[in-house]
Amino acid sequence: DAGITQSPRHKVTETGTPVTLRCHQTENHRYMYWYRQDPGHGLRLIHYSYGVKDTDKGEVSDGYSVSRSKTEDFLLTLESATSSQTSVYFCAIRRQKMNTEAFFGQGTRLTVV
Amino acid sequence: AQSVTQLDSHVSVSEGTPVLLRCNYSSSYSPSLFWYVQHPNKGLQLLLKYTSAATLVKGINGFEAEFKKSETSFHLTKPSAHMSDAAEYFCVVSELQGAQKLVFGQGTRLTINP
Repeated sequence: DAGITQSPRHKVTETGTPVTLRCHQTENHRYMYWYRQDPGHGLRLIHYSYGVKDTDKGEVSDGYSVSRSKTEDFLLTLESATSSQTSVYFCAIRRQKMNTEAFFGQGTRLTVV
Repeated sequence: AQSVTQLDSHVSVSEGTPVLLRCNYSSSYSPSLFWYVQHPNKGLQLLLKYTSAATLVKGINGFEAEFKKSETSFHLTKPSAHMSDAAEYFCVVSELQGAQKLVFGQGTRLTINP
């Protein structure tokens, strides 16, 4: 298995509370990504990072922020959780070299009640 | 912008019969293409990838895919389905520059009937 770990694996939180999901890698890969998976939508990109402190928005970034202060950690924060953010969240990592595949974490199932 | 369309949201086949999962892509340049598989309540696992070498790509578990530039297709096939193939399958196209973001299709759920 690629060295990528997501925490927590499951979380239930209340509407309006902040939530932080963590992605940790041991591969020293440059690129890191956060996706959300919803039925009928495949995986959609929330935010991504191309280096320490270098991040950018994906296609569904509203209501989310990220930080990457170390190569190995990429944090996703829901600033004020809403029911529409109930989803499964996946972190992925990828080497800088072209044409390489991405490796995915096991996912975090988040329920906002 | 790149995009991927998986033509079937659900495919059902009998065990031992061929599998065909269809994928069309849109890209302004020669793309990198991938198929990933997701078993229930699991993460995503790479099945195979196309990176401008051979157009017929072989992957794990007997799957293969053929890149057809003229048809902008990258269909996934397997000669004989096994019960363990039941899963969700994603066709993915990758940017070749910048952060090399992956763009996913909507997914195809494969059901295998005994």
